[in-house]
Amino acid sequence: AQSVAQPEDQVNVAEGNPLTVKCTYSVSGNPYLFWYVQYPNRGLQFLLKYITGDNLVKGSYGFEAEFNKSQTSFHLKKPSALVSDSALYFCAVRDGGSNYQLIWGAGTKLIIKP
Amino acid sequence: GAGVSQSPRYKVAKRGQDVALRCDPISGHVSLFWYQQALGQGPEFLTYFQNEAQLDKSGLPSDRFFAERPEGSVSTLKIQRTQQEDSAVYLCASSLGQDGYTFGSGTRLTVV
Repeated sequence: AQSVAQPEDQVNVAEGNPLTVKCTYSVSGNPYLFWYVQYPNRGLQFLLKYITGDNLVKGSYGFEAEFNKSQTSFHLKKPSALVSDSALYFCAVRDGGSNYQLIWGAGTKLIIKP
Repeated sequence: GAGVSQSPRYKVAKRGQDVALRCDPISGHVSLFWYQQALGQGPEFLTYFQNEAQLDKSGLPSDRFFAERPEGSVSTLKIQRTQQEDSAVYLCASSLGQDGYTFGSGTRLTVV
């Protein structure tokens, strides 16, 4: 069965420090992996995706994520956090073979302190 | 349009009332999805359309929930005889293919 785990409910980072939001997944076929961000009272905004190719994916707002097949992980990273990065972050996966459904993690609340 | 548009943004319904939520996907997007998101949780799949065909409705929580997309563009999610447990944000997303989905801002439904 497909699943996504975001082990941290909340991550606290000081502004200017690097941040990491963790995600691990389980799929039967090739994984298509996504990160979305959600600000209060807003819809989900696409940040980046991994379908194939380079394991390091760069996305919007300076975020990047690294696909690690052996560890089945797709952690979201940013070298220098901004207060405006504070939001709810969701990791999602679908089985690239056939399944169109996205399976979502429970979300990680990222708090950047000035 | 440039994005996925959902209306209304907020809906307050009395228990037992019927509601209809509208989604205007990005023009040309074949796939359309409805998700339900409870407070502080990730989205839960409700149903999926490919053009006008509803290919998967396995996530609809009860027969009070009904979705349609008659012309393969605009979609409506209808909830009959609303209950308090239906209170949530209902998200619509559209997609052209294998790329990530584009979400609307959602409709926040509160049943009182």
